[in-house]
Order: sequence, then structure tokens, then C-alpha cells
Amino acid sequence: EAGVAQSPRYKIIEKRQSVAFWCNPISGHATLYWYQQILGQGPKLLIQFQNNGVVDDSQLPKDRFSAERLKGVDSTLKIQPAKLEDSAVYLCASASLNEQFFGPGTRLTVL
Amino acid sequence: QQQVKQSPQSLIVQKGGIPIINCAYENTAFDYFPWYQQFPGKGPALLIAIRPDVSEKKEGRFTISFNKSAKQFSLHIMDSQPGDSATYFCAASKWYGQNFVFGPGTRLSVLP
Repeated sequence: EAGVAQSPRYKIIEKRQSVAFWCNPISGHATLYWYQQILGQGPKLLIQFQNNGVVDDSQLPKDRFSAERLKGVDSTLKIQPAKLEDSAVYLCASASLNEQFFGPGTRLTVL
Repeated sequence: QQQVKQSPQSLIVQKGGIPIINCAYENTAFDYFPWYQQFPGKGPALLIAIRPDVSEKKEGRFTISFNKSAKQFSLHIMDSQPGDSATYFCAASKWYGQNFVFGPGTRLSVLP
């Protein structure tokens, strides 16, 4: 069984630029999560999808972050414009019932 | 009320020792409590999880102890090995993965 795929693995941008991350979940997993993990901290949930609908986006900074999951499979997370404090690893996870399977993450550095 | 507290922040044990990591939660609506292991450069991986209808669950060398009245749970690693050196996160959610919250993590080092 293939795992959760994410790309790119690394991204360096300057503040005020835009960036997008892509996630391909495990086949058949209806639930998809995006997390932000700042160095030395636990992952913080940004948004949760069930199929192509949003279940929880209460911690997503909606003035600059957006996410979509068209057709209930792949998902993209966008930051526009980026700030210095957005430097973090962005993790995607997909789930069957409760067990979440995480991708390797995208490490974002904002200069 | 969404927060999950975790201690210690870091832990060093000798090979064969039994590190114990503790977590506490406030939200009584949580009913799923997993532990994740994360190696540098990798995403977290599920180790073991428990629901509040049992007080202990064991899988291999990993054991979760759960105290519902105290709203606390802990991870014990028996016969720890250098390969167990990683960061461990406790988490909590409602059933079916709603409102998932992670603790801040414990960096474990197992010395050979």
C-alpha cells in the first residue's frame, strides 16, 4: 500500500510571496488533514476534510491560508502572502477511521 | 480546553530502561488517545492508541496507562533500545478523528 505523498519536500520563499503544497492521500481514505508543525512543537491541525467537504477549519488563518480537496482525493494548501512565522513543516495525513497516516511533510522556509 | 499537556520535554535513559511519558487533557469529550513516534525528517507514525473504556493497553514493548478520573494517560516503553530514540507525541480527539490535538512532544534519547 503506497503511503501519503507530498510535494515539494522543501520550499524556500521570501515573505509576501505565495506558495502551494500538494498532498495525495492513501487510496480510499475519505479523511484528510493538514497540519502545521513548527520546529520543536507538536503538529497543529489546520484543516480537516471528509471527502471534499470541510469538517474543521477553526485554526486555519483564513486571511492568508486556503485549502481545497477537489473530487475528494488530492488536496492543495496555499499560503498567500507568506509571513516569516509561517516557516514550519506542513504535514498531510489521511485516515481510515481514527488511524492517521502521515506524509513526509513539506519544509517551508520564509526569508 | 482543547490543550493536551505533555511531560517531560526531554528524557534520557540507558538501554533497557523504562522511559515514561505523561499527558493530561481537559476536554472530557475526547475519547480517543493515540501516541505517535516521529523521527527527524519524517512524519509522525502511530504507535498505540487507547479509548477510555479500558485502563491499560499493551502492544509489544509499548504500554498505555489511562486514568479517566484524573484525565491523564501515559506511555511506557519496556526494554528501551537506542532505535527508540525519537520524539513522542500524545494526542487526543473525539471519536472518528474530530478535533485532533497533539501534545508538545517529548524527545527521548536511549543511550547504548
